[in-house]
Amino acid sequence: QVQMQESGPGLVRPLETLSLTCIVSDGSMSVPDYYWTWIRQSPGKGLEYIGKIHSSGSRYYSPSLKSRVSISMDRSRRQFYLTVSSVTAADTGFYYCARSDYKLDNWFHSWGQGILVTVSS
Amino acid sequence: QTVVTQEPSFSVSPGGTVTLTCGLTSGSLSRGNYPSWFQQTPGQPPRSLIHTTDMRCTGVPDRFSGSILGNKAALTIAGAQADDESDYYCLIYLGMGVAVFGGGTKLTVL
Repeated sequence: QVQMQESGPGLVRPLETLSLTCIVSDGSMSVPDYYWTWIRQSPGKGLEYIGKIHSSGSRYYSPSLKSRVSISMDRSRRQFYLTVSSVTAADTGFYYCARSDYKLDNWFHSWGQGILVTVSS
Repeated sequence: QTVVTQEPSFSVSPGGTVTLTCGLTSGSLSRGNYPSWFQQTPGQPPRSLIHTTDMRCTGVPDRFSGSILGNKAALTIAGAQADDESDYYCLIYLGMGVAVFGGGTKLTVL
């Protein structure tokens, strides 16, 4: 079963850019069968869908975050990435990466353990 | 802006059956919204339970089932057990690649 692991800084200063990496354990990023997704959760709050990317390069972002978010991928390194610009305290929370099915993209096969990012000066 | 609604909390007795629902503030929810359900316990990532309305994810016991009830998506848990005590989230697709989570339901088993 594929393993996924988020990495990145645990602390980001306000108005700077948050950058996270998701490392995928197998070669499934090289096949077109999956979407690669980022989801976040503010402490004590619910889940928030950030966006996803497909190996074709197609991307979808949450309308509420679209102006500040970018998702990219590097298939050769088995990694995909999230950047969130101009962060505020509201961007503090756990960030999860996940793999979903391309044809049934509400079917999430695998999740990372999550990484806590705190926005603070 | 369409919001996805869930009961904030629910309780069920051990061995009992509970149905959690997921709806839209604007319009009806249908199979075409591809509802999915997730379970989350404190300190853990979400666990996928149901996708595409009623398809159980790998390893999920058949005590968990998904359906459409009226104009809402539903997650039914039969024979509730103590370790079913968790937060449950639905995810709804609104079209154009837009997906939105519900606010979650905190399920207590007592």
